[in-house]
Amino acid sequence: QSALTQPRSVSGSPGQSVTISCTGTSSDVGGYNYVSWYQQNPGTAPKLMIYDVSKRPSGVPDRFSGSKSGNTASLTISGLLAEDEADYYCCSYAGGSYVFGTGTKVTVL
Amino acid sequence: QVQLVESGGDVVQPGRSLRLSCATSGFTFSSYAMHWVRQAPGKGLEWVAVISFDGSDKYYADSVKGRFTISRDNSKNTQYLQMNSLRAEDTAVYYCAKDLSNTRMDVWGQGTTVTVSS
Repeated sequence: QSALTQPRSVSGSPGQSVTISCTGTSSDVGGYNYVSWYQQNPGTAPKLMIYDVSKRPSGVPDRFSGSKSGNTASLTISGLLAEDEADYYCCSYAGGSYVFGTGTKVTVL
Repeated sequence: QVQLVESGGDVVQPGRSLRLSCATSGFTFSSYAMHWVRQAPGKGLEWVAVISFDGSDKYYADSVKGRFTISRDNSKNTQYLQMNSLRAEDTAVYYCAKDLSNTRMDVWGQGTTVTVSS
């Protein structure tokens, strides 16, 4: 149950795109199409942004998209807005248990 | 609307026990699995445990296995986390989260703070 690996931080200017990677193993990310992504602002609870690798819950802007290749999942934020500045965490089902990523701070320049 | 409200967080000494509760409303509690997720100060999210809709299946993170017990009372729409043999590294905000389709956590509570310190 090792944490999934994410870059510590990514940044971009308003309107640009940023991509966050999430690397696991064949026992978690690579083994199931059950990767989800959460946005967390300081002092608040996480919010579900993407589930089942690439699906968006109702109310989440289509600027957020997800994908997966092998043991690595990715979250892309297109048309970056100031309000997207937050911490982002991936999470994968791992056969009964779950594992989160190490977290990525997205900074809007 | 769907609501999850955690309670029971406190300051406790190492080796002691604590029970967290998560009271829910706005959905059919007995139909959904439930999770506990924690976040140590300044750190990332760590999944702790999950319990199936009927309580028959439970899974734990290796870091808490044998010390923590997840349970639920569907008649009270509430889940619990019994934490024994607490350690300093268990200090965190503990979140309750509703599961959806065994693939994601779609609703979260506001969290309750546990501090383990002598």
